[in-house]
Amino acid sequence: NAGVTQTPKFRVLKTGQSMTLLCAQDMNHEYMYWYRQDPGMGLRLIHYSVGEGTTAKGEVPDGYNVSRLKKQNFLLGLESAAPSQTSVYFCASSYSIWDRVRNEQFFGPGTRLTVL
Amino acid sequence: AQTVTQSQPEMSVQEAETVTLSCTYDTSESDYYLFWYKQPPSRQMILVIRQEAYKQQNATENRFSVNFQKAAKSFSLKISDSQLGDAAMYFCAYYNTDKLIFGTGTRLQVFP
Repeated sequence: NAGVTQTPKFRVLKTGQSMTLLCAQDMNHEYMYWYRQDPGMGLRLIHYSVGEGTTAKGEVPDGYNVSRLKKQNFLLGLESAAPSQTSVYFCASSYSIWDRVRNEQFFGPGTRLTVL
Repeated sequence: AQTVTQSQPEMSVQEAETVTLSCTYDTSESDYYLFWYKQPPSRQMILVIRQEAYKQQNATENRFSVNFQKAAKSFSLKISDSQLGDAAMYFCAYYNTDKLIFGTGTRLQVFP
């Protein structure tokens, strides 16, 4: 099993450009998440999904859109990138929180995005 | 809203010694989960230990153990017999109602 994978690993954008980050998991998890990590601020939740075809806003959703067309994939889109979106982006997946034994989140390796 | 606070930005420990990382949280819920994640320089987030709030017994995983004080809303991580490979950022996290809320992290240095 590959676990949680993210594509790409690094990317440099110019202000105003758009891009999509892809997250894939092969553990048949229902839940998937996108976080951003900035120095001194821990991980903050951008958007999440509790199942195929569903999405919900997290703590810092502005400037991002997501889609979950297939259970194993969760896409994060930046329509018009801004320097404030320079960050490391992590995807994660898990079983339902109500699965008391298996509800921990598994993380991908991260994507370092720089917006100039 | 739930919050997680890690008041120690940095900690250091000598190899083979014991260190405790602090975490407090705020919630009005009675059923939730708490986690400690480790993030080494590779950036990979690795689950260290988990605690279910309805369990009074403190979780233990080899050299890692927690001191869970539900009434005080405290969840500290103790690392015994510290090793050089334990050097990393450690994040405390609270999990309830679909969302995982992280603290700002504690950077642990381990000296030989």
